[in-house]
Amino acid sequence: DTEVTQTPKHLVMGMTNKKSLKCEQHMGHRAMYWYKQKAKKPPELMFVYSYEKLSINESVPSRFSPECPNSSLLNLHLHALQPEDSALYLCASSQVGGGTSGANVLTFGAGSRLTVL
Amino acid sequence: SQKIEQNSEALNIQEGKTATLTCNYTNYSPAYLQWYRQDPGRGPVFLLLIRENEKEKRKERLKVTFDTTLKQSLFHITASQPADSATYLCAPLVSGTYKYIFGTGTRLKVLA
Repeated sequence: DTEVTQTPKHLVMGMTNKKSLKCEQHMGHRAMYWYKQKAKKPPELMFVYSYEKLSINESVPSRFSPECPNSSLLNLHLHALQPEDSALYLCASSQVGGGTSGANVLTFGAGSRLTVL
Repeated sequence: SQKIEQNSEALNIQEGKTATLTCNYTNYSPAYLQWYRQDPGRGPVFLLLIRENEKEKRKERLKVTFDTTLKQSLFHITASQPADSATYLCAPLVSGTYKYIFGTGTRLKVLA
């Protein structure tokens, strides 16, 4: 299985709602990532988990809360979002390779399209 | 601060020609550089990886070069086809980190 599965594909939420995005992979990858992508812009790194521990938080607002319950799952909990948070949210995974981590490639999911009203 | 710039936001070329995309980075020294392709509404897909001690890497119609002195990578698609139309992203990577940061991207359109 060489896929990263993201659910839901589309999500519409109000600014007071609480929702979650889910990501799952069964490739045995121990690094998982969340990216945010606005139209005609590159993906922006939000969070990185390595061995189920948060290793990078790119100064993301606390209304985004990541969670990695096990090595196959990654969640992004959303609360009190703003309309400018509307974007494509991409999950990715990779092997971990210590000093050679740059040689590990990212496998992306198809993304969750989020609209905040 | 670190910057990764791809010099053309959009590039149109005729079918059969060679497309050349540029990735320039400043204020860091990556040990690896990856190239990805992204189609609209989809996640990026890995294409090629080149290491700092490699000058050139090829895969079918794709060729990547890496010049650590110029702080630049070039990505070539030879005999381009309309199916090559997509956004291409570079990601220079420092060894030992999982901070995969993408360049600004180039939208390539191959005209039939």
